[in-house]
Amino acid sequence: KAGVTQTPRYLIKTRGQQVTLSCSPISGHRSVSWYQQTPGQGLQFLFEYFSETQRNKGNFPGRFSGRQFSNSRSEMNVSTLELGDSALYLCASSLGGGAAGNEKLFFGSGTQLSVL
Amino acid sequence: DQQVKQNSPSLSVQEGRISILNCDYTNSMFDYFLWYKKYPAEGPTFLISISSIKDKNEDGRFTVFLNKSAKHLSLHIVPSQPGDSAVYFCAAASYTGANSKLTFGKGITLSVRP
Repeated sequence: KAGVTQTPRYLIKTRGQQVTLSCSPISGHRSVSWYQQTPGQGLQFLFEYFSETQRNKGNFPGRFSGRQFSNSRSEMNVSTLELGDSALYLCASSLGGGAAGNEKLFFGSGTQLSVL
Repeated sequence: DQQVKQNSPSLSVQEGRISILNCDYTNSMFDYFLWYKKYPAEGPTFLISISSIKDKNEDGRFTVFLNKSAKHLSLHIVPSQPGDSAVYFCAAASYTGANSKLTFGKGITLSVRP
């Protein structure tokens, strides 16, 4: 079974631009979560989508948004990029039927975003 | 507000010895705890978990201990191997149904010296 696929692997953008990241979950998984990883803050939860609906949201500004399609694929968008948005963005999928702690998350390799 | 704390950013251990990675939490509603391991250029992978009804869970060389009264958990790796060198994230969640989410710590970088 194919794992979680994230594209692109690397991105370089400049301040003020916007960016869209893509995530394809494991087949059969209906939940997709997004995390931001930075050296100083570890893994910070952005949001979770389940059956095309945002089910949970972290404490990030509205510049960070996402969506999920009917095939469970998900995209994350960051508008008006800031230098501080430089980070590794990780997507994780799970079956999605139960409580977060009860379900194993399967992570992709991430998209490394650099904002110049 | 860091609800899951991994206060030691790094740990270096000799091969064959025990590695002990610590994690503290502040939210008493957490009742399920997990450890994830992350190698460079890869996403985190699930390692081991424990629910609050237990105080120990073992899987091969990996054992997680939970002390609910102290809001503390630890991951023991015995014996440590060079391939265990990675970043280890502690995570916690509460059983509040499908709307719960995992809260991660900042991670500990483990280096196992040959």
